[in-house]
Amino acid sequence: EVQLLESGGGLVQPGGSLRLSCAASGFTFSSHAMTWVRQAPGKGLEWVSAISGSGSNTYYTYYADSVNGRFTISRDNSKDTVHLQMSSLRAEDTAVYYCAKGVNYGDYSGLQYWGRGTLVTVSS
Amino acid sequence: QSMLTQPPSVSAAPGQKVTISCSGGRSSLGNYVSWYQQLPGTAPKLLIYDNNKRPSGIPDRFSGSRSGTSATLGITGLQTGDEADYYCATWDSSLSGVAFGGGTKLTVL
Repeated sequence: EVQLLESGGGLVQPGGSLRLSCAASGFTFSSHAMTWVRQAPGKGLEWVSAISGSGSNTYYTYYADSVNGRFTISRDNSKDTVHLQMSSLRAEDTAVYYCAKGVNYGDYSGLQYWGRGTLVTVSS
Repeated sequence: QSMLTQPPSVSAAPGQKVTISCSGGRSSLGNYVSWYQQLPGTAPKLLIYDNNKRPSGIPDRFSGSRSGTSATLGITGLQTGDEADYYCATWDSSLSGVAFGGGTKLTVL
């Protein structure tokens, strides 16, 4: 059974940093692209970032314009974990952050498995 | 900035059929479209991927189609449990990222 478990959310001041983690199990983690999606309170879904699987020698990373240069996605295949390092946080980054995995190895938009999410609140 | 446009809300009676549209530019809806259902307080659930494929466990009451730069989610035999927010999504080549539609709230009257 595929499971994704996010952690690391919490309250942080504007300008601060936070590192989210997503522990995966139930599939060959290294082979699959992984994605972060967020949802601000009462708002719709917003794609944040994604990282490719091990199909090539290089891991490709992708970012939404709204977080590019502030967030960094990475993966630790030895621990079946994907991370989202968030810095220079703003109030508008307040959201539930979901980790997700696609149907197939390289799927970025067909996200079949989701974690329960972790809440990030940016406030002074 | 890519935009996938969905109607804010749709409604229909139990047992009826409803369709939800998703329109976008060539850079977005030139790629495969997915559809998600999100019940209040829960993570999104994948209903359709690759325009018209259903993951295992998704009933055939849910269907997807795409024509040009528009996509449509169809739901037949509406049930009160289908009341939820529905989102379309696709890879947007111009952004090198995923675009989500703004979401459509389905009310089953």
